[in-house]
Amino acid sequence: DSGVTQTPKHLITATGQRVTLRCSPRSGDLSVYWYQQSLDQGLQFLIQYYNGEERAKGNILERFSAQQFPDLHSELNLSSLELGDSALYFCASSVGGRGRSGNTIYFGEGSWLTVV
Amino acid sequence: GEDVEQSLFLSVREGDSSVINCTYTDSSSTYLYWYKQEPGAGLQLLTYIFSNMDMKQDQRLTVLLNKKDKHLSLRIADTQTGDSAIYFCAESTYSGYSTLTFGKGTMLLVSP
Repeated sequence: DSGVTQTPKHLITATGQRVTLRCSPRSGDLSVYWYQQSLDQGLQFLIQYYNGEERAKGNILERFSAQQFPDLHSELNLSSLELGDSALYFCASSVGGRGRSGNTIYFGEGSWLTVV
Repeated sequence: GEDVEQSLFLSVREGDSSVINCTYTDSSSTYLYWYKQEPGAGLQLLTYIFSNMDMKQDQRLTVLLNKKDKHLSLRIADTQTGDSAIYFCAESTYSGYSTLTFGKGTMLLVSP
């Protein structure tokens, strides 16, 4: 158990709909990351938050958004869903937010999203 | 840009050693990681190595880093059937922030 909690574990929804994925980081971790894992693209970094502020942005679509709340939990909002958005969405957390700080990043078990 | 390459598949017999290889392109990588993903499960951090180290050993795992060739390997000694999984190599991309760039993963199949 990494200490990173994600809900829901599985989600099936229709095209055009909107879903919210939730993540609670490990106790004491200030950074939260979102990654998408799909068969064709592999593991892709989406976005990072550090202590409530957006820190880095990767291959995140404009239809997707995220935020980190004062209690440090994070939500990833996916809207106008398409079949191609079906994937495993991982949340990860770490203590710090900078690459040279010896930052170890721990992953949750992921949320499986199926768009039908 | 950053790119991490891994071979897609490795098959070994139980008790043998497994060596999973990875190459990366970003010379500013400071940390390199190995993660394990079992079927239907999340990513488990196995080990990581600083870019100024050549080797790191942790029980059955040995990580070797050749920074000149940008080559990373993970050796699993006495491989067990429970080691069957997908292994991901990742580099910490220094853009000022610690995001990870992953390879596509190597599927390790251990047969009895």
